[in-house]
Amino acid sequence: GDSVTQMEGPVTLSEEAFLTINCTYTATGYPSLFWYVQYPGEGLQLLLKATKADDKGSNKGFEATYRKETTSFHLEKGSVQVSDSAVYFCALTDRGSTLGRLYFGRGTQLTVWP
Amino acid sequence: DGGITQSPKYLFRKEGQNVTLSCEQNLNHDAMYWYRQDPGQGLRLIYYSQIVNDFQKGDIAEGYSVSREKKESFPLTVTSAQKNPTAFYLCASSAQGSGGNQPQHFGDGTRLSIL
Repeated sequence: GDSVTQMEGPVTLSEEAFLTINCTYTATGYPSLFWYVQYPGEGLQLLLKATKADDKGSNKGFEATYRKETTSFHLEKGSVQVSDSAVYFCALTDRGSTLGRLYFGRGTQLTVWP
Repeated sequence: DGGITQSPKYLFRKEGQNVTLSCEQNLNHDAMYWYRQDPGQGLRLIYYSQIVNDFQKGDIAEGYSVSREKKESFPLTVTSAQKNPTAFYLCASSAQGSGGNQPQHFGDGTRLSIL
């Protein structure tokens, strides 16, 4: 079945450091890939998405490239800020299905210190 | 502004009691979802609904029930059969699109605890 594996946290960085959060997936169809962010006490917000191989999603300085050959969708940011502290979830949905249900990774807690 | 409203933000349940979590959306989305979030386990799908008067079980439906009588509303009942209900519950919705390209929009969640 479809599934997502992302690196375990927590991840702790100093401000302006480079961020990578690894995400790999298993899918039987043709997935769309997403990164969601969750700030404390809130729901999830869509951060970026990519719908086909070699697409790059980007938003707020974050980027992720859909790599079909390595079944990966790693999240990167060149210079993190304290305000980026949150939990990040990688997710996929099968584009071949009309159901639209998401399969989530377990989440990676990011803490950025000033 | 369009969005998803979950209420209450905090809820307490007594032993043997059923409680209902509210989820309302004004995004005109056809599909709605309920997730349970536990620390370190990500989000797990409880129930989902693609259209009014129709819904399907997700991965952890036991001890939960839902209804979808109106497009904008998808309440979740946590029954007394759910032996470990303490968790953060998230409701989401999405437009029906070509095979899952439509992102899901989330409410701010309800935290349920046992007294």
